[in-house]
Amino acid sequence: DAGVIQSPRHEVTEMGQEVTLRCKPISGHNSLFWYRQTMMRGLELLIYFNNNVPIDDSGMPEDRFSAKMPNASFSTLKIQPSEPRDSAVYFCASSLAREAFFGQGTRLTVV
Amino acid sequence: KQEVTQIPAALSVPEGENLVLNCSFTDSAIYNLQWFRQDPGKGLTSLLLIQSSQREQTSGRLNASLDKSSGRSTLYIAASQPGDSATYLCAARSGAGSYQLTFGKGTKLSVIP
Repeated sequence: DAGVIQSPRHEVTEMGQEVTLRCKPISGHNSLFWYRQTMMRGLELLIYFNNNVPIDDSGMPEDRFSAKMPNASFSTLKIQPSEPRDSAVYFCASSLAREAFFGQGTRLTVV
Repeated sequence: KQEVTQIPAALSVPEGENLVLNCSFTDSAIYNLQWFRQDPGKGLTSLLLIQSSQREQTSGRLNASLDKSSGRSTLYIAASQPGDSATYLCAARSGAGSYQLTFGKGTKLSVIP
């Protein structure tokens, strides 16, 4: 398996634009996590899906953030409208109840 | 709410030294604890996973221990090498149907040749 695949790897966008981050989890995994990493706050859990259903979205900072998992092999994290304070590295991880595996992340810069 | 703390935040050691990284968690009702390595600008690589029923796990020069009752885990690195330089993160996974991973802020390790 190729592991957790995230796209794009880098995204630079202007404030106010919509940004969509994509994640393909490892085949067969039933849990998917979206994390945000910044120097100040470290790794923060944004949302967690189990069997494609959002279980805990308490970490989603604002209504500008939304996440979907339409099927077991794909998830998106959308920010609309984006703001400079959203600049961070966004990680997707998947798991089958035990070990979690992370993607390489998407580095988002909002100017 | 689970909180995970890693001390120290940064550590610099000479090559060849054995070292211990510490991780503490506030809620002992964990499902497992996982140690990760992160290189600059990269993703997280899983190093070791300890289930709640286990006391330790070993992989090569790495040994991780878990003491649930005291809310602590340690990562022991033997005979450190410059290639071990990275940030090491521990994450506690909640049980009871949650399975949420809570991370510490990491320990940045520098191994000096």
